Amino acid sequence: QKEVEQNSGPLSVPEGAIASLNCTYSDRGSQSFFWYRQYSGKSPELIMSIYSNGDKEDGRFTAQLNKASQYVSLLIRDSQPSDSATYLCAANTGGFKTIFGAGTRLFVKA
Amino acid sequence: DVKVTQSSRYLVKRTGEKVFLECVQDMDHENMFWYRQDPGLGLRLIYFSYDVKMKEKGDIPEGYSVSREKKERFSLILESASTNQTSMYLCASSGTVLSGANVLTFGAGSRLTVL
Repeated sequence: QKEVEQNSGPLSVPEGAIASLNCTYSDRGSQSFFWYRQYSGKSPELIMSIYSNGDKEDGRFTAQLNKASQYVSLLIRDSQPSDSATYLCAANTGGFKTIFGAGTRLFVKA
Repeated sequence: DVKVTQSSRYLVKRTGEKVFLECVQDMDHENMFWYRQDPGLGLRLIYFSYDVKMKEKGDIPEGYSVSREKKERFSLILESASTNQTSMYLCASSGTVLSGANVLTFGAGSRLTVL
């Protein structure tokens, strides 16, 4: 069974701190990786995608991919209360199929 | 603004009823998906479709069927609803797959309760 694993949290960080979210995946053939943010009662929305080993930065967000370790992470710098949400890690396992982790709940305290 | 629209936000049905969940996208996307989301389990893929009249089973297709008669519309059907199908159902769509990329745009979700 192909899986994406995340710590469910909650992860609590103070405003202005760096939030670090992690996930691992089981299928070595996975090529594309995504972080979706889901506010309570809302649907997921894409915030980052990453396809190559290394870091990818977009504003306050940095995604990191290590295919050898089968590890994906998301760093949120200068965390804001509005970042409080559930973050879903996802991997595309080939073709059209994307598998999601159960999500990590993040709380940013003002 | 691109959109995936799910026809019903909340539904309450009785065990054994036939349930239709409708999804329409206006992005001319080839691919459409139905996921269900349950606490602690994340999103699980039920069915997907990569073209009109084409469908593929996802990870949990049992008890569900789908229909895609038009490119923009993808329907999820519960032939005989059961209480274990109480869940949030999310429709999503994506464009052409390039180098494994598959960015999903989700609808607002349909929360189904089966009594």
